[in-house]
Amino acid sequence: EAQVTQNPRYLITVTGKKLTVTCSQNMNHEYMSWYRQDPGLGLRQIYYSMNVEVTDKGDVPEGYKVSRKEKRNFPLILESPSPNQTSLYFCASSLGGVNTGELFFGEGSRLTVL
Amino acid sequence: DAKTTQPNSMESNEEEPVHLPCNHSTISGTDYIHWYRQLPSQGPEYVIHGLTSNVNNRMASLAIAEDRKSSTLILHRATLRDAAVYYCILRGGGATNKLIFGTGTLLAVQP
Repeated sequence: EAQVTQNPRYLITVTGKKLTVTCSQNMNHEYMSWYRQDPGLGLRQIYYSMNVEVTDKGDVPEGYKVSRKEKRNFPLILESPSPNQTSLYFCASSLGGVNTGELFFGEGSRLTVL
Repeated sequence: DAKTTQPNSMESNEEEPVHLPCNHSTISGTDYIHWYRQLPSQGPEYVIHGLTSNVNNRMASLAIAEDRKSSTLILHRATLRDAAVYYCILRGGGATNKLIFGTGTLLAVQP
């Protein structure tokens, strides 16, 4: 089954404790991206990647890092989480190129930073 | 970055058609118009996309204005399961592949 898998789905952590949210897709997609969703602000793009070793900042990259060492994986790294990073995070993937068809989204990871 | 404008909310009755508008006056020639929806407690899901011509699929229809500065997502017969937030986004070529979702339109469907 074609899917985007995120882990963990729920996480409560404390300020400053490094964490990684993993994202994996099994569709051989070139494009992957991360979003955060906050009440009243909609979905905002954090980072995206057009292919292996190619990453770019979205609208809200501050406080986040990503890597794309393999095509299937695109982890989101919070080196020193802060309470303002408490949010619902979504990973998405699609084929590359201009007309890339649909984005496939993961089920989301709810992160709480105390 | 090309942005879209949608109404914050709309309401419909079950089994009636729904027309969800989207304005994208800064659209470029290579931008595709995509629609996604997000059901409660789920990730967004793809609905439909198009470039210039109107498009139909099993979920909905997409009507694109001749000047491409606006589009309308049409749900032909709304059901209670169509209650969701609908996002209109532009996706195109060029040097960037940023995708700006915005806050979307919250569609309420009344029985």
